[in-house]
Amino acid sequence: EDKVVQSPLSLVVHEGDTVTLNCSYEVTNFRSLLWYKQEKKAPTFLFMLTSSGIEKKSGRLSSILDKKELFSILNITATQTGDSAVYLCAVRTDKLIFGTGTRLQVFP
Amino acid sequence: GAGVSQSPSNKVTEKGKDVELRCDPISGHTALYWYRQSLGQGLEFLIYFQGNSAPDKSGLPSDRFSAERTGGSVSTLTIQRTQQEDSAVYLCASSISGGFPGELFFGEGSRLTVL
Repeated sequence: EDKVVQSPLSLVVHEGDTVTLNCSYEVTNFRSLLWYKQEKKAPTFLFMLTSSGIEKKSGRLSSILDKKELFSILNITATQTGDSAVYLCAVRTDKLIFGTGTRLQVFP
Repeated sequence: GAGVSQSPSNKVTEKGKDVELRCDPISGHTALYWYRQSLGQGLEFLIYFQGNSAPDKSGLPSDRFSAERTGGSVSTLTIQRTQQEDSAVYLCASSISGGFPGELFFGEGSRLTVL
């Protein structure tokens, strides 16, 4: 059975800290890995990764994929309170399979 | 509309009643997806519509769940004889093309509470 596992389940940090969120997967027919941010209700798309070792970057957020070890990380540097959200990892096979998410809380 | 619209945003019902949840996708998006998010859980795939093709119903948890998409646009998810374990947020998403492409656009969800 295809599965996507995220860790940690939750994380509490102070503004300015750097955080690393992990996503590992075991799936057949891997196509891509995606990260979403869910602040209140609607998840919003962050990144899609298809190739190993190529970092995707958007402002203070960056992500990389390792297809050999079957994982991805999402880094957030200089965290801000607005980064507080649930971060969802999803793997695309013939469907989009989501992990349970990491809840990040950033305090001032 | 500008985004995916779902209604109702909140629904409280009694066990055994039927409920209908509605999703209006982004105009021009050919694919529509329903997911369910229970407390502390990830998004669980329910059903996927692509154009005029037969829907992928492989994620529906029981035959009490059904969905249709009329005219290639609005979709309705129906849950018959609701049970307490059906309580969750039901999220709808759409994409401009099918096959679960990189970016799905999600609605705000319908929170269902079954008493």
